Amino acid sequence: QKEVEQDPGPLSVPEGAIVSLNCTYSNSAFQYFMWYRQYSRKGPELLMYTYSSGNKEDGRFTAQVDKSSKYISLFIRDSQPSDSATYLCAMIDQTGANNLFFGTGTRLTVIP
Amino acid sequence: NAGVTQTPKFQVLKTGQSMTLQCAQDMNHNSMYWYRQDPGMGLRLIYYSASEGTTDKGEVPNGYNVSRLNKREFSLRLESAAPSQTSVYFCASSRTGQNQPQHFGDGTRLSIL
Repeated sequence: QKEVEQDPGPLSVPEGAIVSLNCTYSNSAFQYFMWYRQYSRKGPELLMYTYSSGNKEDGRFTAQVDKSSKYISLFIRDSQPSDSATYLCAMIDQTGANNLFFGTGTRLTVIP
Repeated sequence: NAGVTQTPKFQVLKTGQSMTLQCAQDMNHNSMYWYRQDPGMGLRLIYYSASEGTTDKGEVPNGYNVSRLNKREFSLRLESAAPSQTSVYFCASSRTGQNQPQHFGDGTRLSIL
C-alpha cells in the first residue's frame, strides 16, 4: 500500500463548477501538506501549503486537512479552463529530511 | 525569474550509454533534489542534497549517481542507461530545514531504447 493515495481520475467538469480533489495517507508522521499543479510538459508548481487541520483559503482555492482521518482535500471554486492540469498532493515526513511524498496526481479538465 | 533550470529538455539514448542531466537554481537554496515521474507511480525521489557537499539516497537511487557541484548546481548521472530508466526527470530546490516547500524545474524527458 502506498503511503499517499490519490484518485488518478481523469476528472472532467463544466466551467464554473466546484471541483473537489482528495488524498488519503497512512503515515501519522506526515504533518505538512501541499498541493501542486502541473500543466502538461511542465514541472509541478506549488499551489497551497498548510500545516494545521482545518481550512486554508487562497482566492478560488481552499485546502482542507483532517489529520484525525488522514484525509486532505483541495477545492476549486468557479473552475476555469485554465485550471485544467494535473493536481498532486504532497506531504512531508516530520521524522526525517525535508523529503516530499507525492500522490500519483489527479488529471482535471475544465470544459468551456 | 529563472528559478530551477534543467538541461537538456529531451534526450534519446541507447541502452548502455551514459548521460548527465544538469540542474541549476538561482534562488540561493541550500537543498536540491532529483525525482523521476512515471505514469501511475507519481514522483519518486532519487537523490537529494541537503547542503553543498552532501548527498543522500532517496527512494529509487539504483542506477544513478549525483554530484553537488556547488550551491547552485546538482547533476544526475546515468552511467549505463537501461530502458527501465525511461522517464521524466525533475530537479527541485528548497530552503534549508524541515517543512520547506520545494520548487521544481520543467523536467528532462529521457527515452532509452
